[in-house]
Amino acid sequence: DVKVTQSSRYLVKRTGEKVFLECVQDMDHENMFWYRQDPGLGLRLIYFSYDVKMKEKGDIPEGYSVSREKKERFSLILESASTNQTSMYLCASSWTPKTSGSYEQYFGPGTRLTVT
Amino acid sequence: QKEVEQDPGPLSVPEGAIVSLNCTYSNSAFQYFMWYRQYSRKGPELLMYTYSSGNKEDGRFTAQVDKSSKYISLFIRDSQPSDSATYLCAMKFRNGNKLVFGAGTILRVKS
Repeated sequence: DVKVTQSSRYLVKRTGEKVFLECVQDMDHENMFWYRQDPGLGLRLIYFSYDVKMKEKGDIPEGYSVSREKKERFSLILESASTNQTSMYLCASSWTPKTSGSYEQYFGPGTRLTVT
Repeated sequence: QKEVEQDPGPLSVPEGAIVSLNCTYSNSAFQYFMWYRQYSRKGPELLMYTYSSGNKEDGRFTAQVDKSSKYISLFIRDSQPSDSATYLCAMKFRNGNKLVFGAGTILRVKS
């Protein structure tokens, strides 16, 4: 079974703090993703990575950065947390089919971040 | 206008009802269509996956894609309380690995 784990289920931080969210997958997937999920807005892509040390901006990268030093680990960094970054953060991973097949993304359980 | 539109609900139905969940999209270049199910306090899990147009059936679940109308549906027959969850549609272009998600529809099946 594919397993995607996230470092914390719940996190409370103060405005201005630097926040690290970690994600680890155990299936040797090339691709890893960070989303935030807000009511009525669905999942919005923050950043993704298709290989070690590679990253691409998603739809809402402002205020966030990422790091992928090892294939199994993808970190999301909030440089200076703000109250509008209070949200559910979901990590996902996937492989890229060589010919055809599912592009299924496997999700972690999420981290509920509250910034006060 | 969002690329993918989905009514957030909530949709409340009695046990045994047929449920219809829908998404519309604006970009005709989408080629892959998926439905994810998300239980409370969990991450989404893939439920159904369809390439291009047509129908796909898996047990009580049927996914339909109508590319001419830019409209996808998920039908749940004989709905159960355990089907209560948020259902998210997702779409992908032919190239790349990014998914575009709808807002998700909250479904409640009452026993």
